[in-house]
Amino acid sequence: EEQLLESGGGLVQPGGSLRLSCAASGFTFSSYAMSWVRQAPGRGLEWVSGISGSGDNTYYAGSVKGRFTISRDNSKNTLYLQMNSVRDEDTAIYYCGKVRPGGLEVAPTTTWGQGTLVSVSS
Amino acid sequence: DIQMTQSPSSLSASVGDRVTITCQASHDISNYLNWYQQKPGKAPNLLIYDASNLETGVPSRFSGSGSGTDFTFTISSLQPEDVATYYCQQYDTLPTFGGGTKVEIK
Repeated sequence: EEQLLESGGGLVQPGGSLRLSCAASGFTFSSYAMSWVRQAPGRGLEWVSGISGSGDNTYYAGSVKGRFTISRDNSKNTLYLQMNSVRDEDTAIYYCGKVRPGGLEVAPTTTWGQGTLVSVSS
Repeated sequence: DIQMTQSPSSLSASVGDRVTITCQASHDISNYLNWYQQKPGKAPNLLIYDASNLETGVPSRFSGSGSGTDFTFTISSLQPEDVATYYCQQYDTLPTFGGGTKVEIK
């Protein structure tokens, strides 16, 4: 069974940093592009970032470009999101997801984790 | 960024009703359009990809159509377990989601 398990969320002060992790199992991790999608409390979905299976190609939403860095360690079957210079508006549940093969490297997301909550507050 | 305008924002229908949700893109996105279902407290679930392709394991009462800028998502016969919020997502450029449609049972 395919599984994704996020960790690393928590309370962080504005301007601070946090690293999210997403541990994958049940599929050949290196063969799939991966993505991060977030959802602010009571709000809709926002795509955040994506990465190719090899890690060579990365993609970012304008709202996080220059502050967040997506990466992966295929030897550890783990996806990361390094969040720097966080802002109040980054408060959200962050979901990692496996991208459907055969198309572009950013969507659609076919398998999702349960999410990890990031709260930005002083 | 490509803007996705989804309507209605909410709807209430009876069990067995046909339900239709529309999504309009601000630019031509060909068929790079997906539909997700999200139940309260849960992660989203992909239902339709590339405008009209049913994801494996998804009931056939769900369907999608459209291309270019105008897309439609349909539940042919609404079931109690379909209570959820539905989102469209374009990925012709960096992905963006519609605002969501909350579906309830009347």
